[in-house]
Amino acid sequence: QSALTQPASVSGSPGQSITISCTGTSSDVGGYNFVSWYQQHPGKAPKLMIFDVSNRPSGVSNRFSGSKSGNTASLTISGLQAEDEADYYCSSYTSRSTRVFGTGTRVTVL
Amino acid sequence: EVQLVESGGGVVRPGGSLRLSCAASGFTFDDFALSWVRQAPGKGLEWVSGINWNGGSTGYVDSVKGRFTISRDNAKNTLYLQMKSLRAEDTALYHCARDQYLSEAFDIWGQGTMVSVSS
Repeated sequence: QSALTQPASVSGSPGQSITISCTGTSSDVGGYNFVSWYQQHPGKAPKLMIFDVSNRPSGVSNRFSGSKSGNTASLTISGLQAEDEADYYCSSYTSRSTRVFGTGTRVTVL
Repeated sequence: EVQLVESGGGVVRPGGSLRLSCAASGFTFDDFALSWVRQAPGKGLEWVSGINWNGGSTGYVDSVKGRFTISRDNAKNTLYLQMKSLRAEDTALYHCARDQYLSEAFDIWGQGTMVSVSS
């Protein structure tokens, strides 16, 4: 049950687009369309941003989008804003009927 | 308001036990599966355990199997995590989280309860 692999940090200027990758295996990310993404600001609980690879919950900005290719899922934030600065985690359902989170990515708005 | 509120955390010695609770409100509790997710200080999220709507199916991360037990009381709208043989590496903020309906995502999170395992 190894954590999914994410880049430790990604940065961008306001208005730019950034993409965060999340790499797993065929037993998790590649095997199911059950990848979700969470935003976490310091001292706060995580917030669901994307579910089932590419779906946005009600109330989440359409600047956030998700996709998947093979064993790698991606979260794209377009029109980067200062409020997007946070930690982001991916998560996947696994073949063992468990869940696994990614290692986490710190997004910095320059 | 849909809400999850954890309690029961504290400081415990290695080898000790603790029971966490998560009180739910604002939704039909037994319609949803639930999980415990922990976050060690300065570290990332780790899924610990999950339980289906009626408690008939449970799952655990390998590192807690045989030591932790998840359960729920649908009459009390409460989720539990019984933790035994605690280790220093179990030190973390423990969140309960609700599985989104017909999805494997966690759509509602509690603020967490802190567990510190130290001699």
